Amino acid sequence: GAVVSQHPSWVICKSGTSVKIECRSLDFQATTMFWYRQFPKQSLMLMATSNEGSKATYEQGVEKDKFLINHASLTLSTLTVTSAHPEDSSFYICSARPGTASYNEQFFGPGTRLTVL
Amino acid sequence: KQEVTQIPAALSVPEGENLVLNCSFTDSAIYNLQWFRQDPGKGLTSLLLIQSSQREQTSGRLNASLDKSSGRSTLYIAASQPGDSATYLCAVFGNEKLTFGTGTRLTIIP
Repeated sequence: GAVVSQHPSWVICKSGTSVKIECRSLDFQATTMFWYRQFPKQSLMLMATSNEGSKATYEQGVEKDKFLINHASLTLSTLTVTSAHPEDSSFYICSARPGTASYNEQFFGPGTRLTVL
Repeated sequence: KQEVTQIPAALSVPEGENLVLNCSFTDSAIYNLQWFRQDPGKGLTSLLLIQSSQREQTSGRLNASLDKSSGRSTLYIAASQPGDSATYLCAVFGNEKLTFGTGTRLTIIP
């Protein structure tokens, strides 16, 4: 149980285009999902917290107009990188948290590698 | 602001040896601490989760300890195998978010 999927697993796009990444909880409902970014040889950094039916909460320094998050259902959150540039190239990982307690364990997706040319 | 540090950044040991990875955090007000492994280019695999009220957790050859008051955790790996080679990340949950450490890249030499 507690499986989280991401799609696509990798994507290459041209500079200036937008890319959408999906995060799904396959066998549980997730009121809250999280988006992380990982640059090469670095650790994961939380970008935003996504709550079903409400606006996402972004971490300091993360542009909400550039990284659009939609959490339209209890099993799906999407991250859209708008007008992508080479510096947005990174590994994006989502996680989903079952239940409502904030300290419940998060379950992580396999990640999406974005390369912007 | 929570800061999580892992030492060493990289570690190489011969197969069969026991080893310890270290994790320290600056804010002891945490709910839990989790250890993950990450293979190159892959996502995270959860290894162990320790609640703040617990002192340790064990799973197979892995044992994780937590000393919340001193802000430290260790991951002990017994009888290391080449398949243990990966990057190990610790993460603490507090203040509504999970904060990751810098990671230790472990190489087991056959």
